[in-house]
Amino acid sequence: TQLLEQSPQFLSIQEGENLTVYCNSSSVFSSLQWYRQEPGEGPVLLVTVVTGGEVKKLKRLTFQFGDARKDSSLHITAAQPGDTGLYLCAGNSGGSNYKLTFGKGTLLTVNP
Amino acid sequence: GAGVSQSPRYKVAKRGQDVALRCDPISGHVSLFWYQQALGQGPEFLTYFQNEAQLDKSGLPSDRFFAERPEGSVSTLKIQRTQQEDSAVYLCASSLVTTSNQPQHFGDGTRLSIL
Repeated sequence: TQLLEQSPQFLSIQEGENLTVYCNSSSVFSSLQWYRQEPGEGPVLLVTVVTGGEVKKLKRLTFQFGDARKDSSLHITAAQPGDTGLYLCAGNSGGSNYKLTFGKGTLLTVNP
Repeated sequence: GAGVSQSPRYKVAKRGQDVALRCDPISGHVSLFWYQQALGQGPEFLTYFQNEAQLDKSGLPSDRFFAERPEGSVSTLKIQRTQQEDSAVYLCASSLVTTSNQPQHFGDGTRLSIL
């Protein structure tokens, strides 16, 4: 069974601070996706990373896929209250397997 | 709207009752997924359809859970003889094509509470 471990589980910071969320596994993934979920809503896709070592930027968010495609990180610069939410990483093992394996998520609270 | 639609948004049932949860995927999306999300956890895979064919049901917790997508569009997840541990948010997702890196678009889920 493939597992994705996210850390930290909870993170509470002040507006303007930087933060990094980690997603680790002992398994290799074909691709890894990051989602953000707000209370009462479904997860919304932020980014998909496919290539080992890949770095993608989305405004103040920077996503990195590990060289061995077993881990990923999400870095947020100058966090804002609107960044508050549950951040989920999800991996896909590729081939004919289309399902996503999710981590437990990191609940981020950005205080004004 | 153009997104994945799920109904009902909330469902309360007594232990032992049967429930049916509906998912309307984005029009034209071939793949449809069901996930179960317990409180404070990430979603867990239940089952996957490609058009009307159920290709993977390895995540269904027991034979009380049944899913169908008879015309390759709308899907229904049915839970028979509900138990308290079935209480969770049930999420439906769809994707346009059947490649493993294709993004999945999620609905807002059905929150099921079993009393």
